[in-house]
Amino acid sequence: SQELEQSPQSLIVQEGKNLTINCTSSKTLYGLYWYKQKYGEGLIFLMMLQKGGEEKSHEKITAKLDEKKQQSSLHITASQPSHAGIYLCGADARGGKLIFGQGTELSVKP
Amino acid sequence: GAGVSQSPSNKVTEKGKDVELRCDPISGHTALYWYRQRLGQGLEFLIYFQGNSAPDKSGLPSDRFSAERTGESVSTLTIQRTQQEDSAVYLCASSPWGATDTQYFGPGTRLTVL
Repeated sequence: SQELEQSPQSLIVQEGKNLTINCTSSKTLYGLYWYKQKYGEGLIFLMMLQKGGEEKSHEKITAKLDEKKQQSSLHITASQPSHAGIYLCGADARGGKLIFGQGTELSVKP
Repeated sequence: GAGVSQSPSNKVTEKGKDVELRCDPISGHTALYWYRQRLGQGLEFLIYFQGNSAPDKSGLPSDRFSAERTGESVSTLTIQRTQQEDSAVYLCASSPWGATDTQYFGPGTRLTVL
């Protein structure tokens, strides 16, 4: 079965700093989703990547899917306290359901 | 427009009791999913409904777990004879067509089994 590994598991950065979160799959990715979760809340959809080499940006968040489609990275530029939360990568495991990484908890110090 | 809603937001129950969790998907979405998130862990897939097709129940952890969906609307996840290990946040998601569509998540129901 396919597994997703996220790194790091947790991250503390100073406001204004850049950061990167990685998501590595044990199998080829056919659809890779990035979600953000605030404590006690549901998941907020950020971006979806499907094609090898694809890159998408929204505000200060950029996500990339590598050419081999087995790894994705999420990069935040000039982090702000509003970026704090748990970032989850999810993969289309075929048949509609998603499998998820264990999450990366981001804290941004003002 | 309205997103996915779930109720209750919190549920505390005693071991051995049955619980029902409700999910109202985004109107018009044909696919509905249930996931479970244990403390400090990622999400685990439980069950997937797609239109009138037979649901994919491959993620249900035991026969104490069941789910129903009325047409393409409300879904209910039922846990019978709850155990302490059932304590988790139960998240519901819906998508327009299923398969490779983006899934939109509700706020979750936090279940605590004492």
